[in-house]
Amino acid sequence: DQQVKQNSPSLSVQEGRISILNCDYTNSMFDYFLWYKKYPAEGPTFLISISSIKDKNEDGRFTVFLNKSAKHLSLHIVPSQPGDSAVYFCAALASGSARQLTFGSGTQLTVLP
Amino acid sequence: SAVISQKPSRDICQRGTSLTIQCQVDSQVTMMFWYRQQPGQSLTLIATANQGSEATYESGFVIDKFPISRPNLTFSTLTVSNMSPEDSSIYLCSASGETNEKLFFGSGTQLSVL
Repeated sequence: DQQVKQNSPSLSVQEGRISILNCDYTNSMFDYFLWYKKYPAEGPTFLISISSIKDKNEDGRFTVFLNKSAKHLSLHIVPSQPGDSAVYFCAALASGSARQLTFGSGTQLTVLP
Repeated sequence: SAVISQKPSRDICQRGTSLTIQCQVDSQVTMMFWYRQQPGQSLTLIATANQGSEATYESGFVIDKFPISRPNLTFSTLTVSNMSPEDSSIYLCSASGETNEKLFFGSGTQLSVL
């Protein structure tokens, strides 16, 4: 049973436009959410996070929105750049002592020049 | 932040052999983990590498197949034993501080088993 779901395996966006990557979760115990970016032949790198006490967190071109009632979060990238082309993983942490990240299956973002 | 060096970066192995992957962190970290990413799949936690004691394995992973060592706070190894083609995957070492709210990853080991 996938607790973190990224239903779009791929997304193509024109350079300069907005990229919106979506993530849904089922575990109501998740209280912290993260986005990671992964280039080929490299490990995932942390991008941005949000606590469940917030509904928005912004860092430069990247904004994460959290809708707790819908158990949904999204990552907005604006404006999108060709260097943003990568696989984006959504991840979540549950409250409690065993705080281990649960990852989604990733979305391949391609930003077209 | 932590810089994690992982080697080998890739290997092609024969069925029935074993491969040991090394992970070195540039600073002392509280937690170290080993993940697997099968083609088209999410990152799946194999185990938590505990310093000075046996690793804690997730459901579906066992010590005989994936023995793990962590002799100190900056180094860990994962062995993939008696390999089969189903073990072909990317194996990732990761580390975090005490809060475990941000993981840093090595560049991964791309393993192909023939």
